[in-house]
Amino acid sequence: DVKVTQSSRYLVKRTGEKVFLECVQDMDHENMFWYRQDPGLGLRLIYFSYDVKMKEKGDIPEGYSVSREKKERFSLILESASTNQTSMYLCASSLTPRTSGHASTDTQYFGPGTRLTVL
Amino acid sequence: DAKTTQPTSMDCAEGRAANLPCNHSTISGNEYVYWYRQIHSQGPQYIIHGLKNNETNEMASLIITEDRKSSTLILPHATLRDTAVYYCIVKSPNSGYALNFGKGTSLLVTP
Repeated sequence: DVKVTQSSRYLVKRTGEKVFLECVQDMDHENMFWYRQDPGLGLRLIYFSYDVKMKEKGDIPEGYSVSREKKERFSLILESASTNQTSMYLCASSLTPRTSGHASTDTQYFGPGTRLTVL
Repeated sequence: DAKTTQPTSMDCAEGRAANLPCNHSTISGNEYVYWYRQIHSQGPQYIIHGLKNNETNEMASLIITEDRKSSTLILPHATLRDTAVYYCIVKSPNSGYALNFGKGTSLLVTP
């Protein structure tokens, strides 16, 4: 089974702090994603990465950066946390290489989520 | 990606089949139907996907109408642990990376 793990289930930080959320997958997937989920807004894509050291902005990248130094690990960084970044953060991974189009490997597998509260 | 329409909520008695409908009348030829679910305070979980044939796995069955404009996810013997929000997503493998989860159907399985 695919396993995606996230460094923390719950996190409380103060405004202005630098926050690191880490995600690790054990299935050698090329693609990794960071979403945030808020009531009434659904899941929104922050960033994704299709290869080591490669990244692309999603729908809401402002206030966030990412790092992917190894294939299995994808980090989300909040440079200076703000209260409007209080949310559930979800990491996902998928196998599809960027140039292929196979639905079976397009499936995304999610981690358990990190509920971040910024005070 | 095509838009999907799902009922807001459904109830199902434990042990009975749960049939969750999804309308995707604007689906195009290369778009697949995916189902995910999200149990409260957990990450979404992939259930099943299909293109035009019916599909079955250890979790569920997916029935897609011949015109592909709608589909039904079937949980054959619902348990209390199946209480979750179920999302129907239509996506082409080449249409980008993000999944549009929409609002989904909140399924409550009762004893």
